[in-house]
Amino acid sequence: GDSVTQMEGPVTLSEEAFLTINCTYTATGYPSLFWYVQYPGEGLQLLLKATKADDKGSNKGFEATYRKETTSFHLEKGSVQVSDSAVYFCALSARTGANSKLTFGKGITLSVRP
Amino acid sequence: NAGVTQTPKFQVLKTGQSMTLQCAQDMNHNSMYWYRQDPGMGLRLIYYSASEGTTDKGEVPNGYNVSRLNKREFSLRLESAAPSQTSVYFCASSQGGGGETQYFGPGTRLLVL
Repeated sequence: GDSVTQMEGPVTLSEEAFLTINCTYTATGYPSLFWYVQYPGEGLQLLLKATKADDKGSNKGFEATYRKETTSFHLEKGSVQVSDSAVYFCALSARTGANSKLTFGKGITLSVRP
Repeated sequence: NAGVTQTPKFQVLKTGQSMTLQCAQDMNHNSMYWYRQDPGMGLRLIYYSASEGTTDKGEVPNGYNVSRLNKREFSLRLESAAPSQTSVYFCASSQGGGGETQYFGPGTRLLVL
């Protein structure tokens, strides 16, 4: 079955540091890939997505590139802010069929200190 | 637009009690989902409804039932709550068709004593 593996956390960084969160996946076919973010006390919200190989998703300074050859979708940001402190989830969804079940990684908590 | 709404926000139950978690979306989406979130486990799919009138089991359906009341509403019922069902429950919706974005509600925090 489909699966998503995220690097172990938590991660603590100083403001303006570079961020990389690794994500690899196993899936049949060609899934869509997502990064969702969960701020404290809130639900999940979409951060960015990519639907085919070599696509780059970007939002709020975050980027991730769909790498089919390495089955990866690593999240990066050049300079993190305190407001980026949250839990980040990598996820995939089958691109065909009548439903779009998301398969999530376990999530990683990011804390950014001033 | 309210997006996806969930009620209640927080609930405490005793073992064996029953309750229904409510979810509604105003985006005219076809598909709706229920997840539970537990520490270190990510989100796991309980049940989903690909379209009005259909429901299917997800990864962890035991102890739960669902009803797709109409296109807007999708409820989750715990018939006899157990401490293992202490969790945060999220409802989500999507347009349907495969690979599209899901939109999440704010969650219901449930404590079963």
